[in-house]
Amino acid sequence: DGGITQSPKYLFRKEGQNVTLSCEQNLNHDAMYWYRQDPGQGLRLIYYSQIVNDFQKGDIAEGYSVSREKKESFPLTVTSAQKNPTAFYLCASRRLAGGAEQFFGPGTRLTVL
Amino acid sequence: AQSVTQLGSHVSVSEGALVLLRCNYSSSVPPYLFWYVQYPNQGLQLLLKYTSAATLVKGINGFEAEFKKSETSFHLTKPSAHMSDAAEYFCAVTPGRDNDMRFGAGTRLTVKP
Repeated sequence: DGGITQSPKYLFRKEGQNVTLSCEQNLNHDAMYWYRQDPGQGLRLIYYSQIVNDFQKGDIAEGYSVSREKKESFPLTVTSAQKNPTAFYLCASRRLAGGAEQFFGPGTRLTVL
Repeated sequence: AQSVTQLGSHVSVSEGALVLLRCNYSSSVPPYLFWYVQYPNQGLQLLLKYTSAATLVKGINGFEAEFKKSETSFHLTKPSAHMSDAAEYFCAVTPGRDNDMRFGAGTRLTVKP
């Protein structure tokens, strides 16, 4: 089955720790995205990447970092510099030559203790 | 810059009643428009999309939306609500295939028996 997987589903972190959220896709999509979702605020773009070894900051990149070493993978690191990291994180991907729609993974819920 | 406004953060309907979720957009160029649905603790699933073809777009689960350029609207409707329609719905816009997607804040739909 083709799709997007995110792991873990739930993640707990102590203050001051960095954590990495995994996102993998086997859809052969070019572009990948990370969003943060908070209640009542919709989705906000953290980072995106349209090609391997290149990525761009979104609206709320501070305190986050990413890498794109493989087309299939786009991990997100939430650093200790992120002041309020508790949220639901969604990864998405799309074909650049396609119809512009993005396909989403199941999400990771991060809670800082 | 493009943006989306969803009117009403919560909508409640009775089972069998009409569902109407409102979305207005702003875009400096002809937009691509989308509706997504999100069930609790899950990712977003594409319901339907408008990409400058027919103005009335039919999607999955009996939903449809009509693009009205004069009103800059893309409201989502379903003639008869089902209990399984209870979820959060997001309207999204992108000005073209190669640009980022902007999401509304979401509308939570409740269906009463």
